[in-house]
Parts: sequence; structure tokens; C-alpha cells
Amino acid sequence: AQSVSQHNHHVILSEAASLELGCNYSYGGTVNLFWYVQYPGQHLQLLLKYFSGDPLVKGIKGFEAEFIKSKFSFNLRKPSVQWSDTAEYFCAVNANTGRRALTFGSGTRLQVQP
Amino acid sequence: DGGITQSPKYLFRKEGQNVTLSCEQNLNHDAMYWYRQDPGQGLRLIYYSQIVNDFQKGDIAEGYSVSREKKESFPLTVTSAQKNPTAFYLCASSIMAGGPFRETQYFGPGTRLLVL
Repeated sequence: AQSVSQHNHHVILSEAASLELGCNYSYGGTVNLFWYVQYPGQHLQLLLKYFSGDPLVKGIKGFEAEFIKSKFSFNLRKPSVQWSDTAEYFCAVNANTGRRALTFGSGTRLQVQP
Repeated sequence: DGGITQSPKYLFRKEGQNVTLSCEQNLNHDAMYWYRQDPGQGLRLIYYSQIVNDFQKGDIAEGYSVSREKKESFPLTVTSAQKNPTAFYLCASSIMAGGPFRETQYFGPGTRLLVL
């Protein structure tokens, strides 16, 4: 069974700092990759997704992620964070095993200080 | 107004009681899912359904039951057999678009279940 690891559990940054959140998955076959965000009091929203093609994926609100197949990684990046980026971020994987459900990482809580 | 609705927003369960969480979608999605979210553990799959009248157990199905009688609806019952039901429950739906294995899940606002 596939698993997803997010090694940064809690990240604290100042506004304008750069962000990189790690995500590694364990599955050797074809995968779809996702980053979701959960702002305080709001429901889970899709930030970006990778199905195939260009491994550098751009999402909403200035976020991007890079799929590195050899490292089984899909790290999330943003060059300059804002206070409004304070949220919990989840990486998720859907492996091509016939089961359509997602496997989620444990999440990274990002706190941006003004 | 399209989307996924979950009700109630908060639900309280007494010992030995079964409770049912509602999930409805008007997106015409064929697949629906239930996840449980606990602090520090991410989301874990309880049940999913790819088509009406069919559903499969996820990773933590014990103590839960579901039905899928209509495409739009996928209610989750938390039974008295679930010994630690306090959690945030999220419903999602998806549809394949652009080819096999290409689908995105969209989530409802969630129901927070608390035990009295």
C-alpha cells in the first residue's frame, strides 16, 4: 500500500520568507499527486495537482510544486509567503492501483507571522 | 449553487448511540468518499463508492456503515461499535475527466462529531 510522508509538521515563517514543504510518497508505479490547503475554519481546497507532463506545476495563490520521480517527491513551494497563507497543507497521492481514493500525508501546519 | 454539502456542522453522540452524517453533491460526480481527520494524522479513508448501490471499505471502516442509493447522496453512519468517534468527518466526490485515472476530489465543509 502506498504511503505519504510530510516531514515538516509545523513551520513558522515571517512574511516575505520563501516556503518549501516536503512531500515524499512510496509507490513505484504511476501516480497522481495533489496539494490541498485547509485555511482556519474553512474546508479543504485544492491548491494544485500533477497528472503527467511538465513536472513543475503551478497552482493558485502563487504556489507551485515540482514532481521529481527519482526522489518520489512532490515538494510545495512559494517564493514569498503572506500572513493569509497561514493554514494546514496536505499532500495526497492517488496510485494507479484501481482504488480511486487518495492517500494523505499527516499535514503541515504553516504559521506566517506578520 | 453547485457543490458538496454536509450536515450537520456539529453532531453530538451519546454512548451506545448510532448517528448518521449526511453528504449530498449536485456536481454529477460518480464517486464519493468519506474521510476522517484527526489532529496530526491527516485524512484517513473510511469508505468509498464508485457507483450507485456499490461501495468498498477503506482503511478504517470498522464501526462505520454507508449506503449509496442515489448518485447524489452518500450518508455515513457512525455506529456504537466505533469506540473513538470524536473527529472531523469529510465527504468528497470526484469524476474522471480527460481519461482514465485522471480525477480530482473535491471536499465538503465537514461535520465535527463529539461524544457526550
